[in-house]
Amino acid sequence: EVQLLESGGGLVQPGGSLRLSCAASGFTFSSYALTWVRQSPGKGLEWVSGISDGGGNTYYADSVKGRFAISRDNSKNTLYLQMNSLRAEDTAVYYCAKYRTLFGGGQRDYMDVWGKGTTVTVSS
Amino acid sequence: DIQMTQSPSTLSTSVGDRVTFTCRASQSIGSWLAWYQQKPGKAPKLLIYKASSLESGVPSRFSGSGSGTEFTLTISSLQPDDFATYYCQQYNSFPYSFGQGTKVEIK
Repeated sequence: EVQLLESGGGLVQPGGSLRLSCAASGFTFSSYALTWVRQSPGKGLEWVSGISDGGGNTYYADSVKGRFAISRDNSKNTLYLQMNSLRAEDTAVYYCAKYRTLFGGGQRDYMDVWGKGTTVTVSS
Repeated sequence: DIQMTQSPSTLSTSVGDRVTFTCRASQSIGSWLAWYQQKPGKAPKLLIYKASSLESGVPSRFSGSGSGTEFTLTISSLQPDDFATYYCQQYNSFPYSFGQGTKVEIK
């Protein structure tokens, strides 16, 4: 069974940093692009960042560009999101998700499997 | 960046009804559109991809149509399990983007 399990969320002060992890199982991790999507309390979904299967290509929403960094360790089957200079508006549940296409790189691809999410709260 | 707009924001309806809601893109996205269903406290679930392709295991009462800038999701006969929020998402170009969602409520 394909599974994604996020961790690393918590309470952090404005201006602080946090690193989220997403542990994957049940599929050939290094063959698929991955992504982070977030949802602020009571709000809709926001695509945050994506990374190609090999890790060589990364993509960001304007709202996080320059502050967040996506990466992956294909030897550990783990996706990461390093979040710096956090703001109150970054408070959200963060989901990791897998793209559908084998070696698709994430280009023109959609998310077929999602994790359960991890909660990040930015507050003093 | 491509903006996605869904309408209506909320739909009050009854079991057995046929419901249709709309998603509009700020520029042409071809057929690079997905629909997701989300229930409170749960992760989104893929329903439709490439505008009209039904994801495996999703009931056939769900269907999608459209291309370019206007898309629709139709539920032919609403079931109790279908009360949820539905999001469209374009994956034509980065940054990918979601609509604000349509919440389907019990009338």
